[in-house]
Amino acid sequence: SAVISQKPSRDICQRGTSLTIQCQVDSQVTMMFWYRQQPGQSLTLIATANQGSEATYESGFVIDKFPISRPNLTFSTLTVSNMSPEDSSIYLCSVERDRGQFYNEQFFGPGTRLTVL
Amino acid sequence: TQLLEQSPQFLSIQEGENLTVYCNSSSVFSSLQWYRQEPGEGPVLLVTVVTGGEVKKLKRLTFQFGDARKDSSLHITAAQPGDTGLYLCAGVKSRGAQKLVFGQGTRLTINP
Repeated sequence: SAVISQKPSRDICQRGTSLTIQCQVDSQVTMMFWYRQQPGQSLTLIATANQGSEATYESGFVIDKFPISRPNLTFSTLTVSNMSPEDSSIYLCSVERDRGQFYNEQFFGPGTRLTVL
Repeated sequence: TQLLEQSPQFLSIQEGENLTVYCNSSSVFSSLQWYRQEPGEGPVLLVTVVTGGEVKKLKRLTFQFGDARKDSSLHITAAQPGDTGLYLCAGVKSRGAQKLVFGQGTRLTINP
């Protein structure tokens, strides 16, 4: 499995500010994903990030609020912009390892716990 | 609408008991994965099931994929406090699809 690290591991921010979360993988991967996990909830996909192209956002998430960069095959960033308390969540990145044409498995980073005051 | 329905959403049992968690859908999935997440960590992949009717065992954990590939179950035998965590099922709807569809999760607590 891939080794994935995220920075920061947690942060407490003031409303109206922005936070950039970094995701680093120990091997080159094609697909990277960003998820949000609200307290006590399951995971919701924010966007899919391919290297060299714009991220693809899920319904309810927009680039102005969650801009994503994917400068190379081992790194991505997610920015949470103009934060409000409703953005308080755990943000997780994941990578996909292609096991062949039948199924793809995702491996997750440890998450960034964000609290917005 | 939730594509994958997990039940129960919360379960608290005593050490040594057995339990089963269910993951159901009206849709067919080409594969289904089970993850466990502990507080402060990301989900960790436990198993992937691909073939209808498939059964996989991981020590005291038994995973089954329904014959029609619409449902799955996780059975834990002789639960231990170390099994405590959030269990998530997630499915891939078709070959080549990249998005995982997650269930709501089952929060399991094993009391010593």
